[in-house]
Amino acid sequence: DAGVTQSPTHLIKTRGQQVTLRCSPKSGHDTVSWYQQALGQGPQFIFQYYEEEERQRGNFPDRFSGHQFPNYSSELNVNALLLGDSALYLCASSRRTSGAASSYNEQFFGPGTRLTVL
Amino acid sequence: EDKVVQSPLSLVVHEGDTVTLNCSYEVTNFRSLLWYKQEKKAPTFLFMLTSSGIEKKSGRLSSILDKKELFSILNITATQTGDSAVYLCAVVRGGATNKLIFGTGTLLAVQP
Repeated sequence: DAGVTQSPTHLIKTRGQQVTLRCSPKSGHDTVSWYQQALGQGPQFIFQYYEEEERQRGNFPDRFSGHQFPNYSSELNVNALLLGDSALYLCASSRRTSGAASSYNEQFFGPGTRLTVL
Repeated sequence: EDKVVQSPLSLVVHEGDTVTLNCSYEVTNFRSLLWYKQEKKAPTFLFMLTSSGIEKKSGRLSSILDKKELFSILNITATQTGDSAVYLCAVVRGGATNKLIFGTGTLLAVQP
């Protein structure tokens, strides 16, 4: 059973460009969350997708957008890249318990995509 | 504003030492607290703590939560070089998405 996979592994872009990162969740998972981890910092929540909709968003500008496909995989898009967008982008998948916001289901992290903006 | 603070930021010890990592939090609608180990990229899950005063153990690692004082500790006994990593503390904020709020992590280096 493959865990969470992300592509590409590494990416180098220049300021102003656009980038798309991809994530395939663990088998049986239907929810994908994206995190940005700058060097020396903990991961910061970007947004979460469930049933192909963005369910909650962290404190990130509209340049960050996403999508979830019917097979539960997800993309993170970042437009007009800034130097400060350089970071490790982590995807985490989980399975939403029916009915509930009340229970937490463990999030499994992918290996991340290292984005460098020059 | 929600925050999770870890201390120390970094730590260097020798093999065989015991270390204690700290995590304090102020998070609205606290659900549970998680500890992760991050060696290269993907954080790997260590513990989930929901109730105060109940120690969780896994081999040489153990952790406990104090919901009154709003903190948790992660203990590692008889450290080994393979314990070298960043240890992340995250709080699950209850709500529609149960999002994780991470601390900055503690960088642990275990020297032979």
